[in-house]
Order: sequence, then structure tokens, then C-alpha cells
Amino acid sequence: EDQVTQSPEALRLQEGESSSLNCSYTVSGLRGLFWYRQDPGKGPEFLFTLYSAGEEKEKERLKATLTKKESFLHITAPKPEDSATYLCAVQALRNYQLIWGAGTKLIIKP
Amino acid sequence: EAGVTQSPTHLIKTRGQQATLRCSPISGHTSVYWYQQALGLGLQFLLWYDEGEERNRGNFPPRFSGRQFPNYSSELNVNALELEDSALYLCASSSGRGQPQHFGDGTRLSIL
Repeated sequence: EDQVTQSPEALRLQEGESSSLNCSYTVSGLRGLFWYRQDPGKGPEFLFTLYSAGEEKEKERLKATLTKKESFLHITAPKPEDSATYLCAVQALRNYQLIWGAGTKLIIKP
Repeated sequence: EAGVTQSPTHLIKTRGQQATLRCSPISGHTSVYWYQQALGLGLQFLLWYDEGEERNRGNFPPRFSGRQFPNYSSELNVNALELEDSALYLCASSSGRGQPQHFGDGTRLSIL
């Protein structure tokens, strides 16, 4: 069964304290892995797509990496405005439906 | 470029009523997706429309239905509303299969 697990469920950091969020997946053939950020009461905002193991994408303080079993979202020197829930989703080769993780709630304290 | 727009922002209904939610995709996007996000829970896939056709539906009862119009906008209809239908309903669009989905800010449906 296709599955996506994100850890930790919640993460509290001090401003400037770098860390990583994990997205582990089980899927029969990966078409793509997607990272989103969601603010309270808003729709998810697209961040990155990763397609193959070894691929990396960067945007400001965020860097996403992909292996055959998991993806990491690295946050370098975060600021309070980086506080949000970060969602991971995978898309299998056999269809186009996204399988979503439950998300990691990130809180950055000033 | 305008993003995905959804209306209304909030909708309050009572049990047994019917609700219609609307979505306009990003210009040029032909695929529209509907999700339900109950408070504190993850995104649950509802429906996928592409080029006017329903391509896939999630594990929801038939009282959840929708359609996609020739201009690629879409509506979600929920009949015989139940209390547990209270949630944020999100619409997303993409430029094609396998492309990233871009979301609107949702319709908050409250059932009294």
C-alpha cells in the first residue's frame, strides 16, 4: 500500500536554528514528490517537485533532497515567517493521484 | 497571473441541505482537483476533473459530486449535508498530469 509518513509532527525552533523535516514514502514506482507549505486558514502553497533520487532543489532558506525512500526539507537559519505546516505528497507512476502526508507543524520563535 | 479562486469563502448550511462550491483554475490549467481538509486532519482527495471529464474520485459517498465546465472552471456539490461534512474544501489546478497542483484558499463549509 502506498504511504507517506512525515516526522516530526511538530517542531519548535529558535530563530536561526537550522533543522530538517522528514518525509518517508512507500510507493510502487515514484513519479514525483512534492513539498508544500500551508498557513492557517489558507490553501497549500507549492514549494518544490523532486523526480529522482539525488535531486536537490533550493528556494531561499529551504532546500529539498530526495532518496529512494525519503525526502528531507532542510531549513537554514529560519525566521518567524517560516512558521507553517509543511506538507509532503507523492505521486505514483501507475496513476496521477497525490498521496499526502499529515504534515509537520513548524514554529519558529523570535 | 491570477491564482486559483474559490467561492464562497465561507458557507453555513444545516443538516440535509445541499451546498455548491465553485472553483476557477489558473488560466491555461485544464485539470481541477477537489480536496476535503477537516480540522486538524490531512488532505483527503475527493475528485479530479480533466478536460471536462471526471478522471478519478476518492473514497467519498456519491452525495459528493461535481463537474467541470468548458472554460475549465468547476463546481463541487454536496447533497444531504451531514455534520461531519464541516471542513475546508480546497480546489487545486494543474497544467497537466504529473504537474504540480496549485491551490486556492478554500471554502470553509460549516454544518449546523
